[in-house]
Amino acid sequence: KQEVTQIPAALSVPEGENLVLNCSFTDSAIYNLQWFRQDPGKGLTSLLLIQSSQREQTSGRLNASLDKSSGRSTLYIAASQPGDSATYLCAVCVWLGNEKLTFGTGTRLTIIP
Amino acid sequence: NAGVTQTPKFRILKIGQSMTLQCAQDMNHNYMYWYRQDPGMGLKLIYYSVGAGITDKGEVPNGYNVSRSTTEDFPLRLELAAPSQTSVYFCASSPADEQYFGPGTRLTVT
Repeated sequence: KQEVTQIPAALSVPEGENLVLNCSFTDSAIYNLQWFRQDPGKGLTSLLLIQSSQREQTSGRLNASLDKSSGRSTLYIAASQPGDSATYLCAVCVWLGNEKLTFGTGTRLTIIP
Repeated sequence: NAGVTQTPKFRILKIGQSMTLQCAQDMNHNYMYWYRQDPGMGLKLIYYSVGAGITDKGEVPNGYNVSRSTTEDFPLRLELAAPSQTSVYFCASSPADEQYFGPGTRLTVT
């Protein structure tokens, strides 16, 4: 059974710093991996999707990497801003005729002005 | 596009009552999903659909039912509500890879 872990559960950093969020998964036979952002009381917003054949994806100040063999993904946020404060979730997909996502429990990020 | 919409935003139910959570998407996505999110836990898949007329169970289907009569709508039915169903419910849709989520319904069963 696929298990997804995100450590730490919470992280506080001063504004302007670069930071890395970690995601690990137990079964390397994944179809893709998706990073989401969730603001308090809101739904999930997709940030980046990495296909199993890719090593990384970039969008603006965000860069996500994927190492299937070691069961790890990282989300790198450059030059952090207070607006980046949110919970970040990673989810891995095993394609079984549809996209079944297994979610981690998230890292709650606080950027200190 | 409105994307994925969910109604209601909040609801309080008494034990044993029933209700339907509505979900609609206007992106013509074939795949639709229902998840629940409990505090400190990751999202768990309740039911999913790969197209109109086709539904299947996810990880935690007990106490719920779904139907998919159109591509756009995917309602989730709770029969005989129980306190264990207190949660935040998210609907999502997908064209194939990336999933798009609605804003959620916060349900309390007392």
